[in-house]
Amino acid sequence: DVKVTQSSRYLVKRTGEKVFLECVQDMDHENMFWYRQDPGLGLRLIYFSYDVKMKEKGDIPEGYSVSREKKERFSLILESASTNQTSMYLCASNLRGEVNPYNSPLHFGNGTRLTVT
Amino acid sequence: DQQVKQNSPSLSVQEGRISILNCDYTNSMFDYFLWYKKYPAEGPTFLISISSIKDKNEDGRFTVFLNKSAKHLSLHIVPSQPGDSAVYFCAASGNNRKLIWGLGTSLAVNP
Repeated sequence: DVKVTQSSRYLVKRTGEKVFLECVQDMDHENMFWYRQDPGLGLRLIYFSYDVKMKEKGDIPEGYSVSREKKERFSLILESASTNQTSMYLCASNLRGEVNPYNSPLHFGNGTRLTVT
Repeated sequence: DQQVKQNSPSLSVQEGRISILNCDYTNSMFDYFLWYKKYPAEGPTFLISISSIKDKNEDGRFTVFLNKSAKHLSLHIVPSQPGDSAVYFCAASGNNRKLIWGLGTSLAVNP
């Protein structure tokens, strides 16, 4: 069974802090994704990666960066946290689709609820 | 502008009856559709998918129907069980390789 593990369930950080959210998957998936989920806005893609050291911007990359040094690990970095980045962050992974990266179901972690004060 | 719409934020159904969750989309280029289920404090889990070359896909108690001309899909759960109580998300993707999510429908199955 695929497991996607996010290192923290809850985080509280101060405005201006640098924040690292870590995600590890154990099924050798090529693709990894970072989403945030907010009430009334659904799931929005921040960044995704289809290979080690490769990354692509999603719909809302501003204020975020990512790192993928190893296939199993995908980190989301908030360079200088702000209160509008208070949210639920979800990491996901899947196998590389032949044409479309989403033609293989996403496997999600349980999320990190980040509060920025 | 939302390209994937789940117009019912919530739905309540009696145990043993059918649950029907609806999803409408506006982009005719979408060719793959997925349903995910989400329990509180957990990440979404994949439920069932359908390609645009089909109009129905079934997996146990779950069936997804696709009506391309109406740009509409629905998820049927028969029979509904209390453990099915969750938020259900519809998602769609097309040749631009982006996955577009609906806002979800919260299903409550009452014993």
